[in-house]
Parts: sequence; C-alpha cells; structure tokens
Amino acid sequence: SQTIHQWPATLVQPVGSPLSLECTVEGTSNPNLYWYRQAAGRGLQLLFYSVGIGQISSEVPQNLSASRPQDRQFILSSKKLLLSDSGFYLCAWSRVAGYEQYFGPGTRLTVT
Amino acid sequence: QKEVEQNSGPLSVPEGAIASLNCTYSDRGSQSFFWYRQYSGKSPELIMFIYSNGDKEDGRFTAQLNKASQYVSLLIRDSQPSDSATYLCAVPGGSNYKLTFGKGTLLTVNP
Repeated sequence: SQTIHQWPATLVQPVGSPLSLECTVEGTSNPNLYWYRQAAGRGLQLLFYSVGIGQISSEVPQNLSASRPQDRQFILSSKKLLLSDSGFYLCAWSRVAGYEQYFGPGTRLTVT
Repeated sequence: QKEVEQNSGPLSVPEGAIASLNCTYSDRGSQSFFWYRQYSGKSPELIMFIYSNGDKEDGRFTAQLNKASQYVSLLIRDSQPSDSATYLCAVPGGSNYKLTFGKGTLLTVNP
C-alpha cells in the first residue's frame, strides 16, 4: 500500500527566515506530486505540481519554490518567509494517469 | 477558469438524518468528480469518486451525478456525530491531473 509522509507536523518561524518542508511517498513509482496551501477558513490553493524528477510547475507566483530531487520526494522552500505564508501546507500524490489525489498529514506553519 | 461551487454552510442535521451536500461545476466537459472529507485540523481524505451519470453507493454514502445540470451531490444516510467535518468537492482542473476544489461545506451532526 502507498503511504505519504510530511514533516515537520508544526512549525513556528519568524518573518524573514528560510523554510524547508519535505514530503515523501512510499509504495508507488513516478507519482504526480502536489503542494497545496490552506489558509485559515479558506479553500485549497494549489502551489506547485510535478510529473517527474526535476519537473516543477508553479501555479501561483510568490516567494515559495519547490524541488523534486528524487522520484518520491517533494520539497517546498522559501528563502524569506512572509506573514502571509502562514497556513496549512499539504502534499498530495496521484498515480501517473489518475486524478484521485491522496493527501499527507500536512504541516501547520505559523509565521510570527 | 474551471470553477466549483459549494454552499459553505454550516449544514446542521440531527443524528440519524440524511445529510445532503451539493456541488456545482462550470466545465461541461468534466468527466470525474471527487468528494473529500476534512476533519478540523486534519488533511483531506478521499471518500468517494464518480465518473458516470446516476448514483454510486458506498456504505452510508451515495454520490449522485447529473451532468446535464452540472451538479454532483453527496448523501450521507444515518448521519453520525463522527461525520461532522468539512466536505470538499473536486473536479479535474486541466492538464497534468490537477484538481479544482470547492471551498467546502461544513457539516455538523447533532447527537
């Protein structure tokens, strides 16, 4: 069976500090990978998606970036966090030719 | 821009009642539809998907799709307090297997 991991679970960071969130998937090969953000009381915002190693598509221009250094590893980064970056960050995966997305447990980020 | 609309609620039903959650979508070409459940503070969990017109049943959950009217519904029979959550509707959102999510409907089941 497939499992998706995210860490850390919670994070409190000061404005202007860097960020690195990691997501890994087990039990499948060449998954599509997605990063979402869910701000308090708001819907899911797709930030990045990837269909393969090194292939990253950005949905929303901002101070975040993503990388996929390995097939089942997806990293979300920022060089300098803003207050508006606070939210619930979710990683998801889907099969190569499938729409069903499965979410990881998420990282709750608070920027102070 | 593909859009998915949901009544934000909250929808409040008594325990044992049928909860009906609705979702409308803008793209007539959408072929598949997904329902996710999100408990407070947790990540979304896929609970149902439907590809063809009509009903699909899974335990106490029934998804209903009407492509002509461009809406999809989720019925929860014999609602339990444990069903209290936000329910998100999603439709394919273009290339690379992206999904467009509605903002969700908050369901509260009262004991």
